[in-house]
Amino acid sequence: QSALTQPASVSGSPGQSITISCTGTISDVGGYNFVSWYQQHPGKAPKVMIYDVTNRPSGVSNRFTGSKSGNTASLTISGLQAEDEADYYCASYTSSSTRVFGTGTKVTVL
Amino acid sequence: QVQLVESGGGVVQPGRSLRLSCAASGFTFSNYGMHWVRQAPGKGLEWVAVIWYDGSNKYYGDSMKDRFTISRDNSKNTLWLQMNSLRADDTAVYYCAKDRWGRWELPSPYFDSWGQGTLVTVSS
Repeated sequence: QSALTQPASVSGSPGQSITISCTGTISDVGGYNFVSWYQQHPGKAPKVMIYDVTNRPSGVSNRFTGSKSGNTASLTISGLQAEDEADYYCASYTSSSTRVFGTGTKVTVL
Repeated sequence: QVQLVESGGGVVQPGRSLRLSCAASGFTFSNYGMHWVRQAPGKGLEWVAVIWYDGSNKYYGDSMKDRFTISRDNSKNTLWLQMNSLRADDTAVYYCAKDRWGRWELPSPYFDSWGQGTLVTVSS
């Protein structure tokens, strides 16, 4: 049950787009369309930004989009804003009926 | 609105036990799976365990098997995590989280609501 692999950090200037990758295996990311993404600001609980690979919950900005190809899922943030600076985690359902998180990515707005 | 309130955290010596609670409100508790997720200081999120809506199935993360037990009482809208043989590396904020995958719904397994967490510190 290894953690999904994410880049440790990604940065961009305001208005730019950034993409965070999340790599797993056929037993998790590649096997199901059940990848979700969470935003976490310091000292706060995580908040879901994307679920089922591409879906946005009500109230989440359409600047956040999700996708998947094979065993790798991606979160793209377009029109980067200062408030987007946070930690981001992917998560996936697994073939063992468990869940697994990604290693986490710190997004910095330059 | 959904509210999840964890309690029971604190400082505990290595090898001892602790039980965390999560009081749920604002939704039909008995219709949804529930999870525990933890986060060590300065580290990432780690999935701990899930219990199905009716308690019929429970699954655990590899490092928690045989030491942690997840349970629930749907009549009390409460979720618990019994933690035994605690180790220093169990030190973390423990979050209670609701699964979006409901009893009567198509599969959509993600964490749609979270509590604020309770800190467990394992130290002598």
